[in-house]
Amino acid sequence: GQQLNQSPQSMFIQEGEDVSMNCTSSSIFNTWLWYKQDPGEGPVLLIALYKAGELTSNGRLTAQFGITRKDSFLNISASIPSDVGIYFCAGLRDGGSNYKLTFGKGTLLTVNP
Amino acid sequence: GAVVSQHPSRVICKSGTSVKIECRSLDFQATTMFWYRQFPKQSLMLMATSNEGSKATYEQGVEKDKFLINHASLTLSTLTVTSAHPEDSSFYICSARDWDTSSYEQYFGPGTRLTVT
Repeated sequence: GQQLNQSPQSMFIQEGEDVSMNCTSSSIFNTWLWYKQDPGEGPVLLIALYKAGELTSNGRLTAQFGITRKDSFLNISASIPSDVGIYFCAGLRDGGSNYKLTFGKGTLLTVNP
Repeated sequence: GAVVSQHPSRVICKSGTSVKIECRSLDFQATTMFWYRQFPKQSLMLMATSNEGSKATYEQGVEKDKFLINHASLTLSTLTVTSAHPEDSSFYICSARDWDTSSYEQYFGPGTRLTVT
């Protein structure tokens, strides 16, 4: 099925650095969700965005819903070792009977202590 | 809140046998649950959408007779992999949506690692 363009595919950073990743699409989404997945676990919801231009924070995480509704980014400030994992964006067009999330391919984050 | 559990977390079965995986929403009612499959280092692939009390909707390319889904209650959905083959080995993850909150958020279970020998 269709997937979102998520970049970068992987990142290797030092502890304390800031991180930015983004998702883009050729079509409009009405909701953006960001998830983190640890190895061998299910994804955990980090942030949900519902309005174009919306900027939402969750601790050291900040995500924005692009004005065009075709993109979203996630920033992590002052990274720590437990930030390691795979981050997925997910877009939703229809919240009704045709509800279906479209996922990005993920960004693998490695944090060196 | 919004906790989803899966059982078992890991299962090893012999080729030709069937395996059932349970997905439960622990603190909310989930009229809709979803089943995903994930291969190593890849994204989640939606297999089917399961609505309580009705037949599941399968994604293109997913064999409904092989992956049987039952959603008999507002808190339980099951996925049965029938006549399992080694190529069915994968990480299966369920998720659920809490309709009562009117949110569009989807909450995932911890996943089930299936190995078919």
